[in-house]
Amino acid sequence: QITLKESGPTLVIPTQTLTLTCSFSGFALTTGGVGVGWIRQPPGKALEWLALIYWDDDERYSPSLRSRLTITKDTSKNQVVLTMTNMDPVDTATYYCAHSPGRKGPFDSWGQGTLVTVSS
Amino acid sequence: EIVLTQSPGTLSLSPGDRATLSCRASQTVYSEYLAWYQQKPGQAPRLLIYGTSNRATGIPDRFSGSGSGTDFTLTISRLDPEDFAVYYCQQCAGSVWTFGQGTKVEIK
Repeated sequence: QITLKESGPTLVIPTQTLTLTCSFSGFALTTGGVGVGWIRQPPGKALEWLALIYWDDDERYSPSLRSRLTITKDTSKNQVVLTMTNMDPVDTATYYCAHSPGRKGPFDSWGQGTLVTVSS
Repeated sequence: EIVLTQSPGTLSLSPGDRATLSCRASQTVYSEYLAWYQQKPGQAPRLLIYGTSNRATGIPDRFSGSGSGTDFTLTISRLDPEDFAVYYCQQCAGSVWTFGQGTKVEIK
């Protein structure tokens, strides 16, 4: 059974950097094809894909947010970390991590999400 | 970047009705990279359909997907009370994933 869980701050000050950790179990991020992605959802709004990292360290980013995002993995800890710089109130959202079983694949397992509020 | 436009924005139906949700892409989408998700309030999205027409594990057969090119459809043959939720289509092209804005299926 695949499980994922996001952790990180619930409140971020504008201009600060957000660091979120996705801890997972039930799969290995060393298995060919597998990826872990981050998706966010502002309150009452649609889903927005942010970034994804594959088993082979291939990193993919949303073109509109690429300059602010970094995704890394620690296979020994079964964790994926997302950092987003220069946070703004419009970045207030629930942030999800999710498992993808293959290249360009869907997200077939999701974490519960973590709400991040950006406010001074 | 491919933009996905879902219609209608809201669908008001009764249990037992048939629901037809549309997802239109701004460019041709490879069918194998088109998926649908269901999201209920306070919950994470759940994968329903992948590769345009393949049901994910545990998804009832009242859910079906179809389409090709730029036009895709999610059909719920007979709405169960648990099916009232928001539905999103999603695609991947050039290693960029995009989601539609969602269709809310509400009880009439």
